[in-house]
Amino acid sequence: EVQLVESGGGLVQPGGSLRLSCAVSGFTFSDHYMDWVRQAPGKGLEWVGRTRNKANSYTTEYVASVKGRFTVSRDDSKNSLYLQMNSLKTEDTAVYYCARTSSSSGHWHFDLWGRGTLVTVSS
Amino acid sequence: DIQMTQSPSSLSASVGDRVTITCRASQDISNYLAWFQQKPGKAPKSLIYAASSLESGVPSKFSGSGSGTDFTLTISSLQPEDFATYYCQHYRSYPLTFGGGTKVEI
Repeated sequence: EVQLVESGGGLVQPGGSLRLSCAVSGFTFSDHYMDWVRQAPGKGLEWVGRTRNKANSYTTEYVASVKGRFTVSRDDSKNSLYLQMNSLKTEDTAVYYCARTSSSSGHWHFDLWGRGTLVTVSS
Repeated sequence: DIQMTQSPSSLSASVGDRVTITCRASQDISNYLAWFQQKPGKAPKSLIYAASSLESGVPSKFSGSGSGTDFTLTISSLQPEDFATYYCQHYRSYPLTFGGGTKVEI
């Protein structure tokens, strides 16, 4: 079965750290770019960051609000995606989704989503 | 950053209605636009990419159009399972950004 399963969410104090994981199955993980997207309670979707595939040197991109604090990484041997979150702020409270990105005629688009994991940053 | 503006922010419709949602980009994004559906408490579901191409398994009642800065998502005959929030998203450049969402209610 093709699926993405996030884990690692929870309650953390401001300034703390958390590492999210996304376990992938049912497709060739190494072929795809992978992304993290978050959704604050009652709010819309916000893209967080991306890791490209090996063919594109595993390069990364981030939204400005997390650059320098969050790191997206992957382990193709474990079919896993990670989000290391440091210096967490209350405004980072959200459900974090991992999303698969596929290429179709030059269009790199999200085509598969995990169920999400909730991160709460509060004292 | 490219801003994505959806309208309306919410709408009321009935089963069988034809519904159109608009998304406007703050600058030319060609056809680098996607649409997503999200139901309460659930993950988003991908519907359309490249402005008008259906994702695998998405029914043909969904259609997208547009290019440049103005785009639309149309649901040809609204069914009970279509009541949800819909988001557009550009992927022309970084950062990728989403519209604010359109909630389709009964």
